[in-house]
Amino acid sequence: EDQVTQSPEALRLQEGESSSLNCSYTVSGLRGLFWYRQDPGKGPEFLFTLYSAGEEKEKERLKATLTKKESFLHITAPKPEDSATYLCAVQAYALNFGKGTSLLVTP
Amino acid sequence: EAGVAQSPRYKIIEKRQSVAFWCNPISGHATLYWYQQILGQGPKLLIQFQNNGVVDDSQLPKDRFSAERLKGVDSTLKIQPAKLEDSAVYLCASSLGPGSGELFFGEGSRLTVL
Repeated sequence: EDQVTQSPEALRLQEGESSSLNCSYTVSGLRGLFWYRQDPGKGPEFLFTLYSAGEEKEKERLKATLTKKESFLHITAPKPEDSATYLCAVQAYALNFGKGTSLLVTP
Repeated sequence: EAGVAQSPRYKIIEKRQSVAFWCNPISGHATLYWYQQILGQGPKLLIQFQNNGVVDDSQLPKDRFSAERLKGVDSTLKIQPAKLEDSAVYLCASSLGPGSGELFFGEGSRLTVL
């Protein structure tokens, strides 16, 4: 059975304090790993797709990386507007989401 | 481009009552999904449609949940009778095709069952 585990569950950062979120997974036949952002009261919003180990994607202050067992979402010099829940999902057939990491960035 | 539309945004019902949620996907998106998101959890797939056919409903509690997508566009998700544990946000999403992991989500319908 596919499993997706995200850590930490919650993270509080000062503005400008860089950190990383982790997504570890077990899946048979990975077709893709996806990162989404979810703001309170909203649906998830797509950020990145990663397909193979060694791949990296960047968008503004976010960079996602992928190995054979885990993915990291690196946040460089975060701002308060980066506060959200970040969800990781793996796709063998359907998307299987983790529980997410709730990120709070304080001024 | 209009996003995924869902209604109602909020619904409060008593247990054993019924409720229905409606979703209109992004124009041209052939694949439509219903997810259930319980507070503090990630979204869980309930059902996936490709046009108006069901692709995956393996996690849909079929004794109380039903969904349809008539004419391959709009979709409704019904719960009858509701249980306390059905309290959750019901998210509708759409994508261009069944293999895409880039889903476009609506804002969700929050259900509270008392």
